[in-house]
Amino acid sequence: GAVVSQHPSWVICKSGTSVKIECRSLDFQATTMFWYRQFPKQSLMLMATSNEGSKATYEQGVEKDKFLINHASLTLSTLTVTSAHPEDSSFYICSAIQGEQAHTDTQYFGPGTRLTVL
Amino acid sequence: QKEVEQNSGPLSVPEGAIASLNCTYSDRGSQSFFWYRQYSGKSPELIMFIYSNGDKEDGRFTAQLNKASQYVSLLIRDSQPSDSATYLCAPLEGGGNKLTFGTGTQLKVEL
Repeated sequence: GAVVSQHPSWVICKSGTSVKIECRSLDFQATTMFWYRQFPKQSLMLMATSNEGSKATYEQGVEKDKFLINHASLTLSTLTVTSAHPEDSSFYICSAIQGEQAHTDTQYFGPGTRLTVL
Repeated sequence: QKEVEQNSGPLSVPEGAIASLNCTYSDRGSQSFFWYRQYSGKSPELIMFIYSNGDKEDGRFTAQLNKASQYVSLLIRDSQPSDSATYLCAPLEGGGNKLTFGTGTQLKVEL
């Protein structure tokens, strides 16, 4: 159980275009989803916390107008990178927790999406 | 700024040995601690979590927690080449649901 999928697994796009990444919890309802970014040889950096039916909470330094997050249902959150530039090239990973308490409800990670902006 | 410190490694151990991975954290409010394994190019996968002081065992893995010292560790017994990966320590923020990840320790298990 507790499977999280992401689509696409990789994407190459031209500078200036927008890219949408989907994160789905396949066998549970995710009250909260998280979006991370990971650059090579670095750790995961939390970008935003997404709660179903409400606006996402962005971490300091993350542009909310550039990284649009929509959590329209308990099984789906999307991240749209708008007007992507080469510096946005990274590994984007989502995670989801099942209930209200992360203490016992672990964050389950999706397989990640590798974005390359040319 | 909440910080999580891990030795980046690589930590090399022979097959069958015990690998010891250490982590210190700055957020005194953290109550739960997660260990994830990340293979190159892949996303993290959960190994185990711990929230009580002392030891917690799960198969070949043992997590150890000392909140007074703000220290958590992961022991891997009978290390296998398939254990070669980067191990990420992630305390849960006190009173919240966000994880703060360390930079990870790269483990290499050699034949």
